[in-house]
Amino acid sequence: AQTVTQSQPEMSVQEAETVTLSCTYDTSESDYYLFWYKQPPSRQMILVIRQEAYKQQNATENRFSVNFQKAAKSFSLKISDSQLGDAAMYFCAYRGFYGGATNKLIFGTGTLLAVQP
Amino acid sequence: GAVVSQHPSRVICKSGTSVKIECRSLDFQATTMFWYRQFPKQSLMLMATSNEGSKATYEQGVEKDKFLINHASLTLSTLTVTSAHPEDSSFYICSAVQGSYNSPLHFGNGTRLTVT
Repeated sequence: AQTVTQSQPEMSVQEAETVTLSCTYDTSESDYYLFWYKQPPSRQMILVIRQEAYKQQNATENRFSVNFQKAAKSFSLKISDSQLGDAAMYFCAYRGFYGGATNKLIFGTGTLLAVQP
Repeated sequence: GAVVSQHPSRVICKSGTSVKIECRSLDFQATTMFWYRQFPKQSLMLMATSNEGSKATYEQGVEKDKFLINHASLTLSTLTVTSAHPEDSSFYICSAVQGSYNSPLHFGNGTRLTVT
């Protein structure tokens, strides 16, 4: 079974600074997807970034980028120029590549990010 | 973009009663819907996977007789918490996916259930 681990329960960053959130996962599959979701106090799940395992290039979305190390099964999220609105719970998630039951998202335990003004 | 509507957003019920939560895909047909449960400051735990027209697949440890899931159409799945107890109080979130394996998942806004 696949597992996702986030070892940082809480992180803090100064506004305009850069922070990196860590995530490791375990799987025996070679093809899969990895995600970072943001959950603000409203509890709405917001997709931040997505990475396909078959792509070597790290995904980027504006101030958000990932460092995907497939061999190490590591998937960290870097937030540059942190803003107050980035404060939220961040979840790393794994999803199988093929349809059916593998469509389900498996979430890590989350990292609560605080942004200090 | 694709929208998933979850209703109600908040519900309070008494112990022993049942409560139904609806999850609707508003502008796409959801072949699969997922139900998650989230306790305060914790992660989302998958409860079950439902496919239109077939029985839901429950995760280990989830009581299928207590958490009834019906996915009667391609746009609607319901979760019914039967004989609710205070320990069922939680945040329940649905997500829906359309079609193929690489289609994105779309989340509802969640339902906060309080059982008194």
